[in-house]
Amino acid sequence: AQSVTQLGSHVSVSEGALVLLRCNYSSSVPPYLFWYVQYPNQGLQLLLKYTSAATLVKGINGFEAEFKKSETSFHLTKPSAHMSDAAEYFCAVSEGYTGANSKLTFGKGITLSVRP
Amino acid sequence: DSGVTQTPKHLITATGQRVTLRCSPRSGDLSVYWYQQSLDQGLQFLIQYYNGEERAKGNILERFSAQQFPDLHSELNLSSLELGDSALYFCASSITSRGGYTFGSGTRLTVV
Repeated sequence: AQSVTQLGSHVSVSEGALVLLRCNYSSSVPPYLFWYVQYPNQGLQLLLKYTSAATLVKGINGFEAEFKKSETSFHLTKPSAHMSDAAEYFCAVSEGYTGANSKLTFGKGITLSVRP
Repeated sequence: DSGVTQTPKHLITATGQRVTLRCSPRSGDLSVYWYQQSLDQGLQFLIQYYNGEERAKGNILERFSAQQFPDLHSELNLSSLELGDSALYFCASSITSRGGYTFGSGTRLTVV
């Protein structure tokens, strides 16, 4: 069964500082990995995805993530935090892109706060 | 606008009642997924439909049911509601998950 671990529930950084949000996954097959962002009172927006192509994935809003199979990790980074990055971030995994294995399994989420 | 439409946005109802949540997927997407988001359980997968047929079931209670209609919109029916059913219910759609899902803005259900 697939699973996602996001350590910690809250990360606080200063504006302009590096953002690092950690995600580790468990999957019995080569996974598809995703990061979503949720702003208050809104739905989830796809930030980026890994689907077995390049291991370094670039997403929207300056975010990127690197797939490391040996570490079963897919950490999200951004070189310089902006106030508008404050939100909740979810890492998710699926084991297929069609059929019953295409459902997403989400981590618990991490709340990112950005200090002025 | 993500292209996935969920109605209503907010719903307040009493315990024991039944409600129906509606989702219209993005044009061209055949798969619809329902998720429940609560503070204690996080985002939980409920059920998936593909082109009208149920494909996968997750942590969906027997009091809950869903269906996908020929026009591909989907409805999630919640009955005998309990206080603990209060949550955000999201619908997402995709052609395949390789591109990631598109989520709707959710229905916030409050059971009082």
